[in-house]
Amino acid sequence: AQSVTQLGSHVSVSEGALVLLRCNYSSSVPPYLFWYVQYPNQGLQLLLKYTTGATLVKGINGFEAEFKKSETSFHLTKPSAHMSDAAEYFCAVSDRSSASKIIFGSGTRLSIRP
Amino acid sequence: DAGVIQSPRHEVTEMGQEVTLRCKPISGHNSLFWYRQTMMRGLELLIYFNNNVPIDDSGMPEDRFSAKMPNASFSTLKIQPSEPRDSAVYFCASTEGAGDYGYTFGSGTRLTVV
Repeated sequence: AQSVTQLGSHVSVSEGALVLLRCNYSSSVPPYLFWYVQYPNQGLQLLLKYTTGATLVKGINGFEAEFKKSETSFHLTKPSAHMSDAAEYFCAVSDRSSASKIIFGSGTRLSIRP
Repeated sequence: DAGVIQSPRHEVTEMGQEVTLRCKPISGHNSLFWYRQTMMRGLELLIYFNNNVPIDDSGMPEDRFSAKMPNASFSTLKIQPSEPRDSAVYFCASTEGAGDYGYTFGSGTRLTVV
């Protein structure tokens, strides 16, 4: 069975600084990997996904993530944080044999300091 | 497309009452998911449907919870009788294909049982 571990339940960075949110996964088969963002009082919104092909994937709002099979990681980065990036971020994994079922990590709350 | 539509947005009910949450998935999506989100337990998958058929309901906490999908455009999650520990935000999500598209989430229903 697949699983996701997000390191750090809360990350705080200064505005303009690099954002790095860590995600490690466990899957018995090549996974589909996702990052979602949740703003207060809203549902989750897909930021980016890796399914196949290029291991560096770019998403909305300047975020990107790199699939590293050898490290079983899919860390999310953004070169320069903006105040509007403050939200909860969820990493997720889908085992391709599970008929579209996605398993979510516990989430990382990102705070931005002025 | 209006996205995944959930109703009501907020529900306050007394313990012991029946609660019904509703979801309209995106047209053409063949899978629908019900999640519960709390501070303590994070995002929990309750049940999911594929082509209107329940595939996995192992996340449904107990017999008080039931879900139906009578057609491709409508699903309900019912709690009877409700208890204070059922207070949470309930999300519905839908997707198409075999899981590589990611989910589209609704805005959620915030349920408070007093």
